Amino acid sequence: QVQVVESGGGVVQPGRSLRLSCAASGFTFSSYAMHWVRQAPGKGLEWVAIISKDGTQIYYVDSVKGRFTISRDNSKNTLYLQLNSLRPEDTAVYYCARNNYDDYYLDYWGQGTLVTVSS
Amino acid sequence: QSALTQPASVSGSPGQSITISCSGTSSDVGGYNFVSWYQQHPGKGPKLMIYDVTNRPSGVSNRFSGSKSGNTASLTISGLQAEDEADYYCSSYTSSSTWVFGGGTKVTVL
Repeated sequence: QVQVVESGGGVVQPGRSLRLSCAASGFTFSSYAMHWVRQAPGKGLEWVAIISKDGTQIYYVDSVKGRFTISRDNSKNTLYLQLNSLRPEDTAVYYCARNNYDDYYLDYWGQGTLVTVSS
Repeated sequence: QSALTQPASVSGSPGQSITISCSGTSSDVGGYNFVSWYQQHPGKGPKLMIYDVTNRPSGVSNRFSGSKSGNTASLTISGLQAEDEADYYCSSYTSSSTWVFGGGTKVTVL
């Protein structure tokens, strides 16, 4: 069965960095684009970034451009999100999600990993 | 990249039908038939309920249906059940090759 499992969250001070990982299984990872979506405590979902199946096309929401970097290692079936220059407003649960093949929706989601930015 | 507009809350009695609206612009909802809807129960990851405006994934009850008119999409839940109580989010692909979500709607079954 399709599964994506996030890890790497934790408590970090403002201005510091963190790298999130998303381990995929149950499907051919290299055939699917992948997303990161976040949700601040008690708030709604916010789309963060997408990476194409081969990693050549990447798009971000404006609020993270220049600070966050999405990447993938198809040999390890793993998606990454590098979070730099973290701000308190980046505090959220970060979800990894698969983009449906050749379509424009997120069909499988993980359970998320919590990132807390606080001094 | 402004969020799509959804009502904060909608409620209904068991067996009733409710509709959640999702308003955007011609650069997202109105420009593409790539609107999707997600259900989220507390402490859980979102679950896909509707894709490409009207399509239901396998395993999703046919009590859930989607539609779109102009820049506004809608999710209708018919025959409301207690298990439908959750947060619902719309999402759309945009002209910037990004995605945008709505602010979310809390559905309460009275």
